[in-house]
Amino acid sequence: GQNIDQPTEMTATEGAIVQINCTYQTSGFNGLFWYQQHAGEAPTFLSYNVLDGLEEKGRFSSFLSRSKGYSYLLLKELQMKDSASYLCAVMDSNYQLIWGAGTKLIIKP
Amino acid sequence: SAVISQKPSRDICQRGTSLTIQCQVDSQVTMMFWYRQQPGQSLTLIATANQGSEATYESGFVIDKFPISRPNLTFSTLTVSNMSPEDSSIYLCSVVVRDPYEQYFGPGTRLTVT
Repeated sequence: GQNIDQPTEMTATEGAIVQINCTYQTSGFNGLFWYQQHAGEAPTFLSYNVLDGLEEKGRFSSFLSRSKGYSYLLLKELQMKDSASYLCAVMDSNYQLIWGAGTKLIIKP
Repeated sequence: SAVISQKPSRDICQRGTSLTIQCQVDSQVTMMFWYRQQPGQSLTLIATANQGSEATYESGFVIDKFPISRPNLTFSTLTVSNMSPEDSSIYLCSVVVRDPYEQYFGPGTRLTVT
């Protein structure tokens, strides 16, 4: 079956760095996405990885290893507004997104 | 990118009634999706709605319960029929704009069934 695993909840301190991991097993692979979702709001696109390696976009970076079925989202210089859920999603061979359950990130002062 | 609006933003409905949710996009898009997200959980795809063809439903979702219309490339509706409290959820429409298959989401419709 298809499966995406990510931690349920993480806590970090304002100004610090946090890494949110995602492992996946899917039928085919056409890219991995990270979305941010604040409570009561719609998800917003953060990043897309289809090749191995690190993609950096400001304070956020996303890494992919296709051979390991593994990705992480790295958030630097954490701000209180980064408190949100972070969703990992994989596009399978049918170009359908398979969603993880999301990681709730709590930022403490 | 795409700007997506949904109506209504929230509603409280009685058991056994139906609610139609509208999704409007500011540009023409081929692929449109309807999702459900229950509190504290991730997204569950209900169906894919492509203009000019019947919607494709995921396992566990049927057309009689969730009829979908897609009359043109900027608009779609999802109806939640014969509602029960288990249908209480947030319903989201999303669109794919272009490579690399970025999906943009509407603000969601928060439905409570009593």
